[in-house]
Amino acid sequence: DIQMTQSPSSLSASVGDRVTITCRASQGIRNDLGWYQQKPGKAPKRLIYAASSLQSGVPSRFSGSGSGTEFTLTISSLQPEDFATYYCLQHNNYPPLTFGGGTKVEIK
Amino acid sequence: QVQLVQSGAEVKKPGASVKVSCKASGYAFTSYDINWVRQATGQGLEWMGWMNPNSGNTGYAQKFQGRVAMTGNTSISTAYMELSSLKSEDTAVYYCARVLGAIDYWGQGTLVTVSS
Repeated sequence: DIQMTQSPSSLSASVGDRVTITCRASQGIRNDLGWYQQKPGKAPKRLIYAASSLQSGVPSRFSGSGSGTEFTLTISSLQPEDFATYYCLQHNNYPPLTFGGGTKVEIK
Repeated sequence: QVQLVQSGAEVKKPGASVKVSCKASGYAFTSYDINWVRQATGQGLEWMGWMNPNSGNTGYAQKFQGRVAMTGNTSISTAYMELSSLKSEDTAVYYCARVLGAIDYWGQGTLVTVSS
């Protein structure tokens, strides 16, 4: 099975900071990757699909890049509502689906 | 609009079974797989398996093989996940999710607590 390694597992940042989260796949997955945001007590919400396509309704400060084995989620200017946990999810060889371990973005 | 509405919280004793439902609306139920994902408190997301409502085909993560069953009732656009031989480690929020390649919509989650 494909493994997804997400880093960092947590980070502290200030409002207005640029934040970057990375996911690395154990083998090439083309662009079959999405990014999800989860707030406490809520279901995850998709931000990015196909590695770099912005989900409708998601602010443009979120962007995704990468292909193959290396992927990045960038928040260009962190807003108060962005403090949450972020997950990558690969679906290249679905089924199964494989999640990254998550990145908790906290207020500095 | 697409909605997946799950059944309410459950409290079960070790060794018991639990069945969680997921009612779909706003789209053609048979056109998308339903997957189940769980999340223990403070932990990450764990994929459990999938069910195709059209064919009834299923597939489960090895960890849950023999202990989980995913089914669907197309007449009421509802998917089900039954987990048996519950252990305390099964205490988690269980999510259903719509999948066409990737997950695009999630249910609100169902908390299952396993405690004696």
